Formats: sequence, structure tokens, C-alpha cells
Amino acid sequence: SQTIHQWPATLVQPVGSPLSLECTVEGTSNPNLYWYRQAAGRGLQLLFYSVGIGQISSEVPQNLSASRPQDRQFILSSKKLLLSDSGFYLCAWNGAVSNQPQHFGDGTRLSIL
Amino acid sequence: GENVEQHPSTLSVQEGDSAVIKCTYSDSASNYFPWYKQELGKRPQLIIDIRSNVGEKKDQRIAVTLNKTAKHFSLHITETQPEDSAVYFCAAYSSPYMRFGAGTRLTVKP
Repeated sequence: SQTIHQWPATLVQPVGSPLSLECTVEGTSNPNLYWYRQAAGRGLQLLFYSVGIGQISSEVPQNLSASRPQDRQFILSSKKLLLSDSGFYLCAWNGAVSNQPQHFGDGTRLSIL
Repeated sequence: GENVEQHPSTLSVQEGDSAVIKCTYSDSASNYFPWYKQELGKRPQLIIDIRSNVGEKKDQRIAVTLNKTAKHFSLHITETQPEDSAVYFCAAYSSPYMRFGAGTRLTVKP
């Protein structure tokens, strides 16, 4: 069966520091991969999605970037974190065939001080 | 692009009553509509979904209806229990990605 791993679970970072969050999927090939951010008590904001290695589409221009160095690996990065980057970051995947549900990782709770 | 509106934002019901959450979408090309339940601090989990060629789907106490003409779909929970308390998100899929509603915080009072 397929599983999705996301780490770290929690992270506290100072303003201006870099960020790297990692997500990996097991048990499937060529998944669609997604990064979402969820502010406290709010909905899911799509940040990036990827349909293949090296293919990244950005939904919201900001100081975050994403990379997909391997088929089942998706990385969210920042060179300099802002206070507004605080939130709950969720990685998700679904099959390459359309009309498939997205399955979420356990998320990373990021706090910027 | 797709826009998904979800109502109400909060819903409080008595245990045993029914709960209904409604969503509308804008992109007529959307063809897949999942519902997710998110408990506090946890990841959203799929509870039921419906595809555009179906008008209604039921799974025990949970049902979803879809009206493609009106572009709206609804989640129905019957015989609610305290463990149904959570935030519920609707979503509409229009390739290649999902658009989510803002969420409904459901509270079931014992």
C-alpha cells in the first residue's frame, strides 16, 4: 500500500533563517505531489504542485520554492523565512490518473520567531 | 480557475441530529468532489467522494449529493456523534489540482 512521509513534525525557526521540509511517497510511481499551507483555523492554500521530476508549478508567488529531485520526493524550501510563513504545512499525493483523491502527510507545524 | 465556496463556516448540532454542509463550485469542468475530515492538529482524511457521473453516494451515516447543473454538492451526516466533531473540507477537482473550500467546524454536543 502507499504511504506518505513528511518531516519534521514540528519546527521552530528564527526570522531570516532557511527552511527545508521533505516529503516522500512509497508504494507508487509517478505520483502528483502537492504542498499546502494551512494557517491556524483556516483552509488549505495550495503552494506548489508537481506532475513529474523537475516539473514544479507555483500557485502563489512568495519567498518559498519547491523541488522534485526524485520521482517520489518533494522538497519545500526557503532562503529567508518571514513571520508570515508560520503555519501547518501539508504534503499530499495522488495518482497520475485524473479523479483520484489526494492523500495527506501528517504535516509540519512551523513556527517563526 | 476554480473557486469553491463552503457553508456554513461553523455548525453546532445536538448528538443524534443531522448535519448538512454545502459547497458550490465555479468550474463546470470539475468532475470529482471529495470530502475531508480534519481533527485538531491532524492531517485531513478522505471520508467520502463522488464523481460527476453520479448524483448521490452513501456510506453508512455519511452521504454526499451532487447537482452538476447547479454546481453544488452537499455532505449529509445522520445520527451525529461527538466523535464527528471536526473541521470538514469539501473540494472540487479540475485537472490538475484540487480546490478546497474554507472548511466547516462541526461541533456535536452530547
